[in-house]
Amino acid sequence: AQTVTQSQPEMSVQEAETVTLSCTYDTSESDYYLFWYKQPPSRQMILVIRQEAYKQQNATENRFSVNFQKAAKSFSLKISDSQLGDAAMYFCAYRRTRSQNFVFGPGTRLSVLP
Amino acid sequence: AAGVIQSPRHLIKEKRETATLKCYPIPRHDTVYWYQQGPGQDPQFLISFYEKMQSDKGSIPDRFSAQQFSDYHSELNMSSLELGDSALYFCASSLDGDYEQYFGPGTRLTVT
Repeated sequence: AQTVTQSQPEMSVQEAETVTLSCTYDTSESDYYLFWYKQPPSRQMILVIRQEAYKQQNATENRFSVNFQKAAKSFSLKISDSQLGDAAMYFCAYRRTRSQNFVFGPGTRLSVLP
Repeated sequence: AAGVIQSPRHLIKEKRETATLKCYPIPRHDTVYWYQQGPGQDPQFLISFYEKMQSDKGSIPDRFSAQQFSDYHSELNMSSLELGDSALYFCASSLDGDYEQYFGPGTRLTVT
């Protein structure tokens, strides 16, 4: 079974600084999808960024970027120019194929300090 | 743009009662997923449906059942509720062939 690990239960960052959240996963598949979801206090699950395993280029969405290391099974999220609104629980998620369910990591709670 | 709709948003039930949660996917989405997120936990996959047929099954208790209807909305039926069933229940939808799932706002179930 696939597993997703987030080794940092909590992280904090100063406003306008950069922070990196770690995620590792275990799979025997060669084709899969990886995601970062943000869950603010409203509890709504919001997609931050996604990466297809067959793509070597790291995904980027504005201030959010990933460092995808397929051989190491690592998928870290970098948030640049952190803003107060970035404070949330961040979940790393794995999906084996397009029609399969997500497997989520335990989450990292990010605090942004003014 | 239309999003996934879940109802009710909040539900309070007593032990041993029954609850029904509803999910209305984004128009034209044919796949629905149910997840359970306990307090301080990550979301756990329960069950999914594609074109009204169960497509995958996760850690869904036998006391729970679900189905997808002809209009693609889905209902999660929960019987003999236990205190441990108190959680946030998410529904997500996708269009088969699309790897992105869109999450609803969740239904917060409290069992007393």
